[in-house]
Amino acid sequence: GAVVSQHPSWVICKSGTSVKIECRSLDFQATTMFWYRQFPKQSLMLMATSNEGSKATYEQGVEKDKFLINHASLTLSTLTVTSAHPEDSSFYICSAETGTYGYTFGSGTRLTVV
Amino acid sequence: DQQVKQNSPSLSVQEGRISILNCDYTNSMFDYFLWYKKYPAEGPTFLISISSIKDKNEDGRFTVFLNKSAKHLSLHIVPSQPGDSAVYFCAARASNTGNQFYFGTGTSLTVIP
Repeated sequence: GAVVSQHPSWVICKSGTSVKIECRSLDFQATTMFWYRQFPKQSLMLMATSNEGSKATYEQGVEKDKFLINHASLTLSTLTVTSAHPEDSSFYICSAETGTYGYTFGSGTRLTVV
Repeated sequence: DQQVKQNSPSLSVQEGRISILNCDYTNSMFDYFLWYKKYPAEGPTFLISISSIKDKNEDGRFTVFLNKSAKHLSLHIVPSQPGDSAVYFCAARASNTGNQFYFGTGTSLTVIP
């Protein structure tokens, strides 16, 4: 089935630094990639939708200059958290739309900013 | 505003019995619904879906029921197995307003051997 590989699975970074999270579709072409964030005991909140070759569409309240999304190819989308702060600590997860099953999710990235 | 709600954060069921997970939504334009299962430190995996033209969809031990008038869907797992212990999310989409799904907060299911 369709697989999305997400790396890293966890990362600890210092406040003020940037972190890049990659999502690769391994056996299909992901025209659209969705990026979610999940805080403890809360649901997955959509941050942005990226389409290959075009600018990402951000949900209301999400700072596009802080969360840089690049979807340069049909198999790779990246999320860069710039100038990370402790409040950015969260579980970030990508997903790609597949024709049959709706979404295929990456395994997620646990970001801790210290 | 939480458009999809799972009011039970946790559920415990004896192995072999039925597990019933519930989900309510507020947007009457939602026309496609999914259930996902999530283990700790892993991404959600698709379980079963249902479109608004149906009121039931069955796949093995998993059955999803949709009550459009009540804006309610439920997932039945019969018989429940210890390996079913996970967090279950329901998600909904309104096809005419985009491809994004809205997720509930999840229900943690524990199946007791």
